[in-house]
Amino acid sequence: AQRVTQPEKLLSVFKGAPVELKCNYSYSGSPELFWYVQYSRQRLQLLLRHISRESIKGFTADLNKGETSFHLKKPFAQEEDSAMYYCALGYFGNEKLTFGTGTRLTIIP
Amino acid sequence: NAGVTQTPKFRVLKTGQSMTLLCAQDMNHEYMYWYRQDPGMGLRLIHYSVGEGTTAKGEVPDGYNVSRLKKQNFLLGLESAAPSQTSVYFCASSYSRQGRGYSQPQHFGDGTRLSIL
Repeated sequence: AQRVTQPEKLLSVFKGAPVELKCNYSYSGSPELFWYVQYSRQRLQLLLRHISRESIKGFTADLNKGETSFHLKKPFAQEEDSAMYYCALGYFGNEKLTFGTGTRLTIIP
Repeated sequence: NAGVTQTPKFRVLKTGQSMTLLCAQDMNHEYMYWYRQDPGMGLRLIHYSVGEGTTAKGEVPDGYNVSRLKKQNFLLGLESAAPSQTSVYFCASSYSRQGRGYSQPQHFGDGTRLSIL
């Protein structure tokens, strides 16, 4: 079965330090991967998706099919990055997304 | 555009009571979803719909029923609430992937915080 693993439930990083939120997936075909973010008291919103290959709010994520990973990275953390982050997997023929369990990122001033 | 609107935002029920959570979207999305969010378990899909009049079970459908009589609305019902259904419920919607080639981003509502005593 398809699965998304986010190994860190909690992650604390100092302001200005690099951030990496890990996401690994299990799917044998061509995956379609997303990162969603939920700021305090706000709704979940799309942060980025791998087909766009864009940088949003300084975050990037590269699909590594060899390692079945889609880690989210940012070179310099900012306090406003504190939030809950979810990685999600989709694929051809499936109307649903499979979400990971999420990582709560806290940026320490 | 309001996007995805969920009502109510908060509700407290007693065990055995029933209620319906309402979700409305104004983006003409084909797909709609109901999730529950629990600490340490992430988002789990309850039911979803790929079009008006159609529904399907997700990962955790037991104890819930849904209906999609109109394209813009997706209702989640609890027939006999149980304490295990205490959770935050999120509705989401998206365009279908047909003609677009990839899974489309889901747009979420603000959530409904439901407590079952």
